[in-house]
Amino acid sequence: QQQVKQSPQSLIVQKGGISIINCAYENTAFDYFPWYQQFPGKGPALLIAIRPDVSEKKEGRFTISFNKSAKQFSLHIMDSQPGDSATYFCAASSRPGGTSYGKLTFGQGTILTVHP
Amino acid sequence: NAGVMQNPRHLVRRRGQEARLRCSPMKGHSHVYWYRQLPEEGLKFMVYLQKENIIDESGMPKERFSAEFPKEGPSILRIQQVVRGDSAAYFCASSPRLRGGLAAQETQYFGPGTRLLVL
Repeated sequence: QQQVKQSPQSLIVQKGGISIINCAYENTAFDYFPWYQQFPGKGPALLIAIRPDVSEKKEGRFTISFNKSAKQFSLHIMDSQPGDSATYFCAASSRPGGTSYGKLTFGQGTILTVHP
Repeated sequence: NAGVMQNPRHLVRRRGQEARLRCSPMKGHSHVYWYRQLPEEGLKFMVYLQKENIIDESGMPKERFSAEFPKEGPSILRIQQVVRGDSAAYFCASSPRLRGGLAAQETQYFGPGTRLLVL
């Protein structure tokens, strides 16, 4: 119930194309859904995040779409660039026992390659 | 403003040795999380600490692993008697304390990680 399932495992997109990565969850207590970008040898960096009270959030070329009833959310990268080539992780967190901190449950990751 | 710092960046240990991983949170942050990333997998939560307190260690293996975050100095993740299965990247993340002592749920800033290789 704590899992977050992410797909696809890898994705190849041409420069200028749209990259779409999907995630699904089971735990309805999750109330925060961030996406992280990780380059080789680096730590994950927060890209964009959403809460379940909105269905979409856009920041520049990055958009999160959220479907609460289906328990799914996705990351769209518009006008994909070679510099976007990285591993992307979706994550979800809840606040255990009514506390205020949020431990993150990560998806398995998607390796995105954008060809020039 | 320096980010989260971790050292060493790479650590090689033989089976049975001890590994000590250090994490210095961002300035002003008093909450630290440790995550483990096995090869080709996502990160898995291990432990959440505040200064001098372990708040949630539900993801920590029951044996050989321990964590601390003393009043002064970095947070330490300690692995005793390492085995090959401990080979992984270990990341820490820090978050600020909001008014009233509440941790910011969303703002976890990750360090560059320590890559542990057990021979």
